[in-house]
Amino acid sequence: GENVEQHPSTLSVQEGDSAVIKCTYSDSASNYFPWYKQELGKRPQLIIDIRSNVGEKKDQRIAVTLNKTAKHFSLHITETQPEDSAVYFCAAPDNTDKLIFGTGTRLQVFP
Amino acid sequence: DAGVIQSPRHEVTEMGQEVTLRCKPISGHNSLFWYRQTMMRGLELLIYFNNNVPIDDSGMPEDRFSAKMPNASFSTLKIQPSEPRDSAVYFCASSFIAGVNTQYFGPGTRLTVL
Repeated sequence: GENVEQHPSTLSVQEGDSAVIKCTYSDSASNYFPWYKQELGKRPQLIIDIRSNVGEKKDQRIAVTLNKTAKHFSLHITETQPEDSAVYFCAAPDNTDKLIFGTGTRLQVFP
Repeated sequence: DAGVIQSPRHEVTEMGQEVTLRCKPISGHNSLFWYRQTMMRGLELLIYFNNNVPIDDSGMPEDRFSAKMPNASFSTLKIQPSEPRDSAVYFCASSFIAGVNTQYFGPGTRLTVL
């Protein structure tokens, strides 16, 4: 079945710096890779996703890259702001179409 | 659309009592998921329904947990009897065509078992 690994588990950056979170997956048939942001006490919410027919997708300060050969995808946040502080989860579907989530990355942005 | 609706938002109960959590998915979504989140174990998938049929319940911890989806607009997760280790936030999520589309999470139910 699908296995998703996420690194790092915690990440601290200075406001204005960039942050990168990386995930690897095992099922080469996976073709949809979402990223969720969960603020303290809130629900996980989708911030960006990428499908296997593209290698990169951007939305303002966030971008996701996908390398299908190496089976990894990454979340990039530029010009980080304190409100970016949250836990970020990557995910990939398994062969029953349920999402397998990574273990999460706690991002702290210091002013 | 009101999004995924869960009730109650908070539940405090005593060990041994029955607990029922409720979820109304987004209209038109055909997949529904129940998750449990704790600091120790992170976000765990308990069960996944597609077109009201349970597809994968391998995450259900034990026989004390059961879930139903009698129709496309309602699901329940029941714990009987409840134990302190069941204390967690339980999320319901729904999507249209699981695996290729966004899962939308409900606000969650914070369960505390004393």
